[in-house]
Formats: sequence, C-alpha cells, structure tokens
Amino acid sequence: SQQGEEDPQALSIQEGENATMNCSYKTSINNLQWYRQNSGRGLVHLILIRSNEREKHSGRLRVTLDTSKKSSSLLITASRAADTASYFCATAPNSGYSTLTFGKGTMLLVSP
Amino acid sequence: NAGVTQTPKFRVLKTGQSMTLLCAQDMNHEYMYWYRQDPGMGLRLIHYSVGEGTTAKGEVPDGYNVSRLKKQNFLLGLESAAPSQTSVYFCASSYPPRSGSVETQYFGPGTRLLVL
Repeated sequence: SQQGEEDPQALSIQEGENATMNCSYKTSINNLQWYRQNSGRGLVHLILIRSNEREKHSGRLRVTLDTSKKSSSLLITASRAADTASYFCATAPNSGYSTLTFGKGTMLLVSP
Repeated sequence: NAGVTQTPKFRVLKTGQSMTLLCAQDMNHEYMYWYRQDPGMGLRLIHYSVGEGTTAKGEVPDGYNVSRLKKQNFLLGLESAAPSQTSVYFCASSYPPRSGSVETQYFGPGTRLLVL
C-alpha cells in the first residue's frame, strides 16, 4: 500500500507563478524525498529531507517537513514551462529498511 | 557514465508468452529495484536486491521473478505474461543506507510492455 499521498492530483499555473504540492504519509520516516518525472521518462531525484530537518532549499525548490502532522510540501518558485512534469514524494521508513514507498504524484502543468 | 539503462524500451507480448527485462547500472550501486507504474498510480515495488546473489519481494511480486547474478545487472522475468502485466516498468539503483535508511534512487528510462 502507498505511504505518501500527494495533493493536489493536478495543478495548472502560469509561468512565473509559484507551485505548491503537498504530501501526507502515515508512519514514521527516516527521510522523505521528492522526484520529478517528465512525460515518458524515468524519475529524477530532486531533494531529500531528513526527519530531523524542517526545511531545505535547492535552487528554486523549497521543501518543508512537519513530522508531527506527517506531511511535507514542495514549493517551486517562479515556475517555468520546463517544470511541467509529475512530482512524486517517496518515504523511507525508519532504520533497517531498504525500500522507498511512492505516492501517486501531482501532475503540474505550467503554461507560457 | 550511462547511469541506469533498460532493455528493451518497448515490447508487445501475447498472453502466455515469456520475456526478460534487463537493467544495467554502471554506478557500482549495491541496491537495485524493479517497479511498475500504471496510469494514475505511483510506482509500486515488484522485487529488489541488496547485493549480488540476493533478491527480495516487494509490494506486487506475483507473476514476476528476478535474478541478480552480477552486481551491475538486475533481470526481471515474466514467465507467463497476462494482460494485467501491461505497464511501464522502471529499474532503479542506489547505494546502501548511510544514515539508517535508503536514500537517493537513480532510475532508468523505463520499458513499456503491452500484453495482448
């Protein structure tokens, strides 16, 4: 069963606007990761945030993690048409596990 | 570096036929994974391997077998294909956990499989 659930399922914005996607999960985690998938391609790792971190930045990406609410958000600032893709969160359980559990993803469309 | 490569890119099978999907990585990763992705779904783990000669079941292993004879290769087999196995299959690899749990996974481009 899937651990992470992204919200919204789909998001449509204009270039230059910010895009926010949310991920909720059910059990304790060691880390949470965000991946991007362009149409017809494999997933690409964007950013990893550990359970003891609250916020992390990478370029135009900002990720927050609230372990008390079991939720994370991905903010893409100043969106570009090239950001059009599906975005997935993936959770890594606490120690001893070798696998990630992926959510169903948010499909982001950025229009010029 | 080629990263993670998958062969073939696309395949059409008839029900009952068998085939093997090949995944190769040149990053010297210990861990390798096979996922399937269906429309509107995230990735579901089929099987994975934490080292040469080892394999383990994931969330949806039924109807699939795997082998990891060499560290750089991970094979996914379908012995008797069914229409329900129509999907896009992704292979991924990663280093072993360095801080208690698995970290970044590197994905191949996918194999589209259609079972008629």
